[in-house]
Amino acid sequence: RKEVEQDPGPFNVPEGATVAFNCTYSNSASQSFFWYRQDCRKEPKLLMSVYSSGNEDGRFTAQLNRASQYISLLIRDSKLSDSATYLCVVIGVNDMRFGAGTRLTVKP
Amino acid sequence: NAGVTQTPKFQVLKTGQSMTLQCAQDMNHEYMSWYRQDPGMGLRLIHYSVGAGITDQGEVPNGYNVSRSTTEDFPLRLLSAAPSQTSVYFCASSRRQNSNQPQHFGDGTRLSIL
Repeated sequence: RKEVEQDPGPFNVPEGATVAFNCTYSNSASQSFFWYRQDCRKEPKLLMSVYSSGNEDGRFTAQLNRASQYISLLIRDSKLSDSATYLCVVIGVNDMRFGAGTRLTVKP
Repeated sequence: NAGVTQTPKFQVLKTGQSMTLQCAQDMNHEYMSWYRQDPGMGLRLIHYSVGAGITDQGEVPNGYNVSRSTTEDFPLRLLSAAPSQTSVYFCASSRRQNSNQPQHFGDGTRLSIL
């Protein structure tokens, strides 16, 4: 079993839709969590951190469920510009693990 | 503000050749790392460094060497290129290891081994 797992997708949604991704992790001692966005043939860029109490940044909401060991990303009112691959990142005591990414395509 | 600079952006090598991928950051970050990204595999850590003069192996270190003689530079050397090393390579830096500070990535190097 991979240490960090994501549904690879692709998720194809219409503009304005709400879409959610999950990311599960196996190390219960993991400490910090992030979502990164990666556009085609570009480098990953930080989208948002994930806090224990959940956090929101505009149309994006991130949540952490330590009991079930997953984090989630919710995107409301999807825009064409949201089309990208979304990577979850899980940081433990001595390592940082990336998920393989979930690909999202928002269509007109 | 350059951030993390990687060179070259593209490279084609023959099996057995050696080469060095360059990475430099101007943010005075302590932590630097090299990843490779392959389809369906996500980013995998090759080597990392927590400061000048200190390096350590990541998840997939075989076939690669690194050095960190200065805070700014963290080159990755392929000793004898193999087709299995065809990948996209990203260098990243952050203020400290495993902190809540985000990683800053370079643009990537697309490497093909024939």
